Amino acid sequence: DQQVKQNSPSLSVQEGRISILNCDYTNSMFDYFLWYKKYPAEGPTFLISISSIKDKNEDGRFTVFLNKSAKHLSLHIVPSQPGDSAVYFCAAIRTGNQFYFGTGTSLTVIP
Amino acid sequence: DADVTQTPRNRITKTGKRIMLECSQTKGHDRMYWYRQDPGLGLQLIYYSFDVKDINKGEISDGYSVSRQAQAKFSLSLESAIPNQTALYFCATSEGDGREQETQYFGPGTRLLVL
Repeated sequence: DQQVKQNSPSLSVQEGRISILNCDYTNSMFDYFLWYKKYPAEGPTFLISISSIKDKNEDGRFTVFLNKSAKHLSLHIVPSQPGDSAVYFCAAIRTGNQFYFGTGTSLTVIP
Repeated sequence: DADVTQTPRNRITKTGKRIMLECSQTKGHDRMYWYRQDPGLGLQLIYYSFDVKDINKGEISDGYSVSRQAQAKFSLSLESAIPNQTALYFCATSEGDGREQETQYFGPGTRLLVL
């Protein structure tokens, strides 16, 4: 049973525009959420996170929004750059327990 | 030097063979994990270890075993490899102190092909 879902396998965006990647979860016990970025031939790397007590966290061009009532989070990248082209995984955790990852969204930023 | 290393990076083996994938970390983290990635399925947890004496099964542990030889080393074994174990395997670590800022750090992956 997939507790964290990313329903869009791929997304293409023009350079300079906004990229919005979405993630849904089913377990209301999750209290911490993360986004990872993965380039080909490399392991995933941590990008940004948010605690369940917040609804927004911003780090430069990256902002994560959390809607607990909808069990939904999103990652906004503004402005998108060609170097942002990668696979993005969202993950959720109940603090102290194992991580659950989504299936990933492949983002392509077109120059 | 990388904080989390995996050996080998690529491996081709035959059905029925026993193989071991190794993971080492220099981050001093207590928690270590093994995942596999298949196209369209994201990262699936195979086994995880919260300290040297603690081993736990993940979502897809059948056909796999692990050994936590030390805090820094966590090995994944396929006792009798089968073709549907062809995948990309990742090792990861986390500090595991329950802090809000907990995250996982991944190795570069091992690409395994079972013929």
